[in-house]
Amino acid sequence: GENVEQHPSTLSVQEGDSAVIKCTYSDSASNYFPWYKQELGKRPQLIIDIRSNVGEKKDQRIAVTLNKTAKHFSLHITETQPEDSAVYFCAATIKAAGNKLTFGGGTRVLVKP
Amino acid sequence: DGGITQSPKYLFRKEGQNVTLSCEQNLNHDAMYWYRQDPGQGLRLIYYSQIVNDFQKGDIAEGYSVSREKKESFPLTVTSAQKNPTAFYLCAIGRENSNQPQHFGDGTRLSIL
Repeated sequence: GENVEQHPSTLSVQEGDSAVIKCTYSDSASNYFPWYKQELGKRPQLIIDIRSNVGEKKDQRIAVTLNKTAKHFSLHITETQPEDSAVYFCAATIKAAGNKLTFGGGTRVLVKP
Repeated sequence: DGGITQSPKYLFRKEGQNVTLSCEQNLNHDAMYWYRQDPGQGLRLIYYSQIVNDFQKGDIAEGYSVSREKKESFPLTVTSAQKNPTAFYLCAIGRENSNQPQHFGDGTRLSIL
């Protein structure tokens, strides 16, 4: 069936380095790709999103890139800080699933001071 | 998110018991969703509703039931048929248009007594 694959499942980086998380999707009709950050025991919070008519979007230290041809999108965090430590989820609307969001399995990011 | 209220925060279920989780929103969003999150896992869709008096099954609807009698409310009942109910349950709201983000409530943590 339709799904969203997210890699890596865990990511450890040194404070100040960059972190990159990649997701692939299978439905070429997907048109919306949000990223959520979830701290332990808390709700997921939207941090950035991108629509299919845009190739890249940036918000301070966070950026998302979309490659529609290859059907993958990535989250880039630059100059990582300890407070960036959390689980990050990508998602995509899956047309075959009624335009609902389908989530990737999550990436646990640990920023070491 | 200030406009989405989930209650209770913690809930315990006895064997054979049905329990109901509340989700209320005051943001006038049409769409509401219920997700289940197991430890270290992603979010799986249980049920969703895009309009009052209508709802559809998600990926893991067995053992759950919902109603959408009012736009503001989308309660989830975990029935005795759900044999492994221990999880973190998240309610989300969204707009009917597929390229808009979903926003989550603070969640209900359900455990078996």
